[in-house]
Amino acid sequence: SQQGEEDPQALSIQEGENATMNCSYKTSINNLQWYRQNSGRGLVHLILIRSNEREKHSGRLRVTLDTSKKSSSLLITASRAADTASYFCATDEDTGGFKTIFGAGTRLFVKA
Amino acid sequence: NAGVTQTPKFRVLKTGQSMTLLCAQDMNHEYMYWYRQDPGMGLRLIHYSVGEGTTAKGEVPDGYNVSRLKKQNFLLGLESAAPSQTSVYFCASSTYRQARNTIYFGEGSWLTVV
Repeated sequence: SQQGEEDPQALSIQEGENATMNCSYKTSINNLQWYRQNSGRGLVHLILIRSNEREKHSGRLRVTLDTSKKSSSLLITASRAADTASYFCATDEDTGGFKTIFGAGTRLFVKA
Repeated sequence: NAGVTQTPKFRVLKTGQSMTLLCAQDMNHEYMYWYRQDPGMGLRLIHYSVGEGTTAKGEVPDGYNVSRLKKQNFLLGLESAAPSQTSVYFCASSTYRQARNTIYFGEGSWLTVV
């Protein structure tokens, strides 16, 4: 079973609007990461948040982490057509190992 | 600096044929991975390696073998391809330090088994 599961599965918004994607996970984690995948390409790392952090910013990206609810959210502000992509959360299980488990992703479509 | 390079990018196989996917990274990373991506399934870890000469099974290892003879290379083999192995395969690498594990991905290899 997958550790991280994103919600919604798909999201369509107008350029300039904010996009929010959520991720839920099941076990204790060391950190949580968000990746982006353009159609037909590999995944690209966006941002990492540690288990002892609650919020992190990077440009137009804002990530929150609530370990009590085992959930995270990714907010993209002032979205652009170029933000159209799939977004995945990934978690490192806190088992002393290092395996990174990915969710099924949220497909974001930003209309110009 | 090419990052992670996979070859081939596209391949069509007949059921029962064998093939090897090649992955090379030039970032001196200790860890390397092979994932497969199927519609609606996200990425699933097939095999991984924590260093030269070591390999370990991931979530979906059956039907695949791997080798890490050199630190920069990680090979994924299909001994007898099956239609269920039709997928997009991604190689990745990382350096794991202090619970930071940013993974760098290749561009993917599209494999169709007919």
